[in-house]
Amino acid sequence: KNEVEQSPQNLTAQEGEFITINCSYSVGISALHWLQQHPGGGIVSLFMLSSGKKKHGRLIATINIQEKHSSLHITASHPRDSAVYICAVRNSGGSNYKLTFGKGTLLTVNP
Amino acid sequence: DAGVIQSPRHEVTEMGQEVTLRCKPISGHDYLFWYRQTMMRGLELLIYFNNNVPIDDSGMPEDRFSAKMPNASFSTLKIQPSEPRDSAVYFCASSWGIAWSSTDTQYFGPGTRLTVL
Repeated sequence: KNEVEQSPQNLTAQEGEFITINCSYSVGISALHWLQQHPGGGIVSLFMLSSGKKKHGRLIATINIQEKHSSLHITASHPRDSAVYICAVRNSGGSNYKLTFGKGTLLTVNP
Repeated sequence: DAGVIQSPRHEVTEMGQEVTLRCKPISGHDYLFWYRQTMMRGLELLIYFNNNVPIDDSGMPEDRFSAKMPNASFSTLKIQPSEPRDSAVYFCASSWGIAWSSTDTQYFGPGTRLTVL
């Protein structure tokens, strides 16, 4: 079983819809990252969370440490949001900067 | 700043050949990471450096892989000899790492797409 599980693997939405991508993990963590990988391959860090919620524009990320679960929400989705969204966790023990990645969620937003 | 720079962007080589991937981190960043991405396994951390010193290389798949960071502005990932299963996109990332800090963001390079025939 992977330490980081994302769902769904693929998601197709219509422009304007509210999107939710989920991430569950099985280990103790010190932080969780959400990354966006564009169709061209470039990777951008969206959020780093250790508790609560963060918001940036139309993107909202939440984390529940007790339930070992995080969600990434996109409000008023747009075709330019089409990308792979990757959840990564930083383990709380050992190497402080080692990230373990989920397999990613491919989001397609149709106009 | 130009961001993290990787070269080459694409590399096609034959099995058995030596491959060297290069990375220039963002100036001032003291952590450098090498990742590999494949369809089957997703993103995997291979090795990371702090102040040019390798800290954790437990993700390096086997002895054919080696990484160096001779100075703060340059790192290499070498595969010798290369095999078809090494075909992947290799990313380099850097960060100014302070534990628990909200500024502790990793900045990724554009990646090197390696194809081993």
